[in-house]
Amino acid sequence: SAVISQKPSRDICQRGTSLTIQCQVDSQVTMMFWYRQQPGQSLTLIATANQGSEATYESGFVIDKFPISRPNLTFSTLTVSNMSPEDSSIYLCSVKDRGRSGAYGYTFGSGTRLTVV
Amino acid sequence: QKEVEQNSGPLSVPEGAIASLNCTYSDRGSQSFFWYRQYSGKSPELIMFIYSNGDKEDGRFTAQLNKASQYVSLLIRDSQPSDSATYLCAAGGGADGLTFGKGTHLIIQP
Repeated sequence: SAVISQKPSRDICQRGTSLTIQCQVDSQVTMMFWYRQQPGQSLTLIATANQGSEATYESGFVIDKFPISRPNLTFSTLTVSNMSPEDSSIYLCSVKDRGRSGAYGYTFGSGTRLTVV
Repeated sequence: QKEVEQNSGPLSVPEGAIASLNCTYSDRGSQSFFWYRQYSGKSPELIMFIYSNGDKEDGRFTAQLNKASQYVSLLIRDSQPSDSATYLCAAGGGADGLTFGKGTHLIIQP
């Protein structure tokens, strides 16, 4: 399975500012995904980021608030813009890749715990 | 609206017993199903995936899929205290990301 390096691991930010989260993958992957996990909740898909195309956002998420870059097959960034306390969550990137068995699975980065004050 | 439903628990199981976790999904187009384990403060870790109807076994874990009933389950045999975690059921397919259930909090009692 792919190994994902995600950073920062955590941050405390002032409301109204922006934070950019980075994910670096140790192999080339076509599909990358960004999720949000609000306190005590499960994961919610924010957007799909495939290299060479615009990110596709899920209902309730917009590009102006969560701009995404995917410059190559091993890297992506998610920016949380104009933050408010409601944006306090864990943000995770994920890739779809082949495991040892040859079947596709989804591997997650270690997450970014964001607190907005 | 794609949905995955799980009982949030907590589900309490004695050490050494079988833990049974269940979920249902709404999208009949879902092709693949995953069980993730998440310890508090950590990112999800893949436990099992299943694509075909029936059972799939891997060590102490067995995943079961019934597409007609839109039902997925995970059995954990010989439960250990280290199995105590939140278990997330997820459904997906094709180029889409995953739809997650809210997770079941499992407690293995020593």
